[in-house]
Amino acid sequence: NAGVTQTPKFQVLKTGQSMTLQCAQDMNHNSMYWYRQDPGMGLRLIYYSASEGTTDKGEVPNGYNVSRLNKREFSLRLESAAPSQTSVYFCASSLAGPNTGELFFGEGSRLTVL
Amino acid sequence: QQQVKQSPQSLIVQKGGISIINCAYENTAFDYFPWYQQFPGKGPALLIAIRPDVSEKKEGRFTISFNKSAKQFSLHIMDSQPGDSATYFCAATTSGTYKYIFGTGTRLKVLA
Repeated sequence: NAGVTQTPKFQVLKTGQSMTLQCAQDMNHNSMYWYRQDPGMGLRLIYYSASEGTTDKGEVPNGYNVSRLNKREFSLRLESAAPSQTSVYFCASSLAGPNTGELFFGEGSRLTVL
Repeated sequence: QQQVKQSPQSLIVQKGGISIINCAYENTAFDYFPWYQQFPGKGPALLIAIRPDVSEKKEGRFTISFNKSAKQFSLHIMDSQPGDSATYFCAATTSGTYKYIFGTGTRLKVLA
């Protein structure tokens, strides 16, 4: 049972390049999330998907797009990367809403934008 | 009003000591307060959580104390062990939303 799997684990981009972070969960969870973690800032929600077919903005959505491809997969896309998007990105999932149980996090994707 | 303020930023404790991390919030609509533990290179994992209808919750060596009137909650780690060395995040959210607000994290180091 892999839980939440993120790819890639590491990525270096040049300013203006695009890329997609992939996330898949095998726990049959309804809700999925993308967070970014920056030193001294904690975890900040970028986008979330309450259920298959829906997506909504979190605290810091600018510069990102998401796709809930199916119940298992939730991808995060950077269309034109900027140095301010250098961060560690975490995907998470939960069974229903976050208040009905815990968030299960992946191991993170470390992105550097030069 | 959406912030959760966490302190201290870092903490060094001797093995066997008590580690205490504090969080404060402003939004009285928050009704679920979890703590997450994160080891280097890993994602955060739920440690313990509390709802405001109780003032304390204990799971093994970990205790959450909750003060609703002061809008504060804290994590106590009793008999701290080197294996507890990690970053701890408090968080808060409101039922019916999907938006956790996380504190800025506390890096705990327990000396052997």
